[in-house]
Amino acid sequence: GAGVSQSPSNKVTEKGKDVELRCDPISGHTALYWYRQRLGQGLEFLIYFQGNSAPDKSGLPSDRFSAERTGESVSTLTIQRTQQEDSAVYLCASSQREGLEAFFGQGTRLTVV
Amino acid sequence: AQSVTQLDSHVSVSEGTPVLLRCNYSSSYSPSLFWYVQHPNKGLQLLLKYTSAATLVKGINGFEAEFKKSETSFHLTKPSAHMSDAAEYFCVVSPASGGSYIPTFGRGTSLIVHP
Repeated sequence: GAGVSQSPSNKVTEKGKDVELRCDPISGHTALYWYRQRLGQGLEFLIYFQGNSAPDKSGLPSDRFSAERTGESVSTLTIQRTQQEDSAVYLCASSQREGLEAFFGQGTRLTVV
Repeated sequence: AQSVTQLDSHVSVSEGTPVLLRCNYSSSYSPSLFWYVQHPNKGLQLLLKYTSAATLVKGINGFEAEFKKSETSFHLTKPSAHMSDAAEYFCVVSPASGGSYIPTFGRGTSLIVHP
């Protein structure tokens, strides 16, 4: 596609529910990243996919967070048993290959009530 | 290992005056460096990038940055600020080769432009 697409753009969920966030990277981009941005703060790395290699999950804050990516296509970030501290904007980015600039989606604003 | 330090959380300038946003980095590998801009409630947009070519890099909207290896700096400048430049700016480091390719973000600098 023309850019990185994320859905939904906004999500309000009740504490304790599971949510799934979707990211469609730019076609042909082998690297895909998920970040979290809390209100007024910088970007916190969550997880990195590169081609068919095992993902780098070192940024996931707890075992309630998981992500999948099939090949070089869509990725989903799942948060189980959501907590209020999970409220943030979740940003997805892709790059043509490692070390090149990342292109960001508009993000999913998650609000846990 | 790599890290980025943006030296100012807020920078305030008057319209028409120069802008300087400071960034220092640390990287065990030859770095690629980027500046991104984020306008309120908008996504992140790439301003410019350094990837081991010319040390003075020109970007969009009149911004430029100079890579100084001896000072491990990549400061962002613009000769004359415009009201539309008011936004959050992020300095980012990623290894050009070797190590973890995860882009590491600075904490951001909020640019305030007064009329």
